[in-house]
Amino acid sequence: AQSVTQLGSHVSVSEGALVLLRCNYSSSVPPYLFWYVQYPNQGLQLLLKYTSAATLVKGINGFEAEFKKSETSFHLTKPSAHMSDAAEYFCAVSGDNFNKFYFGSGTKLNVKP
Amino acid sequence: DAGVTQSPTHLIKTRGQQVTLRCSPKSGHDTVSWYQQALGQGPQFIFQYYEEEERQRGNFPDRFSGHQFPNYSSELNVNALLLGDSALYLCASSLAAGAKNIQYFGAGTRLSVL
Repeated sequence: AQSVTQLGSHVSVSEGALVLLRCNYSSSVPPYLFWYVQYPNQGLQLLLKYTSAATLVKGINGFEAEFKKSETSFHLTKPSAHMSDAAEYFCAVSGDNFNKFYFGSGTKLNVKP
Repeated sequence: DAGVTQSPTHLIKTRGQQVTLRCSPKSGHDTVSWYQQALGQGPQFIFQYYEEEERQRGNFPDRFSGHQFPNYSSELNVNALLLGDSALYLCASSLAAGAKNIQYFGAGTRLSVL
């Protein structure tokens, strides 16, 4: 069985501050992990993915995430927040042969000027 | 290169009615998955179609059914609509079998059941 827990349904940071969005997963098979971003009234856009290569994954828009097996975590970070980063972020895990994604409940990021 | 397209963008139905949502996958993709995203929640997997067959199904009742056509496009049908079916329905396409394959999402169809 697979599942994702995202701690913090709402996160607020100041522009220029560090962004840290938390994701912990549970998986009975080696996981593949993804972060997606969703802007209002839009679908999901892929930020980055971990597929068992490098544990530090770099994505678009300056985001990166580190896979830590011992902590079952895949937290998303960005050194300096920009106003355009305000959106909802979803962590997802996949691992079976059918590419079925399990999503967390999401974290809404607010960026203050 | 067109991405995943969904139609319609918005839909209003009343309880007990039936609805059909449509999805065209990204060019070159042969697998379509459907998700339901209730307000304030993450997407929940409904089912996945590959080679015109339902390959995997999530925890949704039989009122939810689907179809995939030879051109890989797909439909999601919901019968006997309930108020709780109000949600954003997302279609995602990917290449065949492979847990690490990226799923590309459409903008969704927002269904309101009154």
